[in-house]
Amino acid sequence: QKEVEQNSGPLSVPEGAIASLNCTYSDRGSQSFFWYRQYSGKSPELIMFIYSNGDKEDGRFTAQLNKASQYVSLLIRDSQPSDSATYLCAVNDNFNKFYFGSGTKLNVKP
Amino acid sequence: GAVVSQHPSRVICKSGTSVKIECRSLDFQATTMFWYRQFPKKSLMLMATSNEGSKATYEQGVEKDKFLINHASLTLSTLTVTSAHPEDSSFYICSASWDRGEGPGELFFGEGSRLTVL
Repeated sequence: QKEVEQNSGPLSVPEGAIASLNCTYSDRGSQSFFWYRQYSGKSPELIMFIYSNGDKEDGRFTAQLNKASQYVSLLIRDSQPSDSATYLCAVNDNFNKFYFGSGTKLNVKP
Repeated sequence: GAVVSQHPSRVICKSGTSVKIECRSLDFQATTMFWYRQFPKKSLMLMATSNEGSKATYEQGVEKDKFLINHASLTLSTLTVTSAHPEDSSFYICSASWDRGEGPGELFFGEGSRLTVL
């Protein structure tokens, strides 16, 4: 399987702060990149995707992609306790297969 | 977003029996579905890619005779865990790729099926 690396955490941030989640990937042929949120015992839900270098903003979420460094990140502004979950980074290769990192557990403290 | 439904959500079976899990795309046609397996506090591991009307493509290390996949229609894929053993106990999640027509295809997940083999 292709490598997708994430720091397992937990990452703890106070309510209202910015949470920064990072991901690196091994396959330079990866085409598109996704961030999913997974609550315990539930299946992942899509937060956002990015496929061009640079930043992409959607509400409180900003995805950043740097293909040269094989790095993708997710920033969550004004973090809320309801954002506490495991965040999974996924990459999509040339064959339309999705590979996932192990996830970073985020704790937002009230 | 697209809706993917998975059934059953939980199943408990005895060792040696077979278990079938269904995955349906409810509001779109999915020519390709993916089956993942997830152990507690671990990542999703891609098991196989299910292609409508053809044989599934299995990832390295996944036993195709153990995990039978059938994708008989554009809206239904099934995973059968044959002769299940306790080490097969896991969270199995199906997903389907949905192409909006612009940008990359997105992956939507079913609710997952938690299999416990006694």
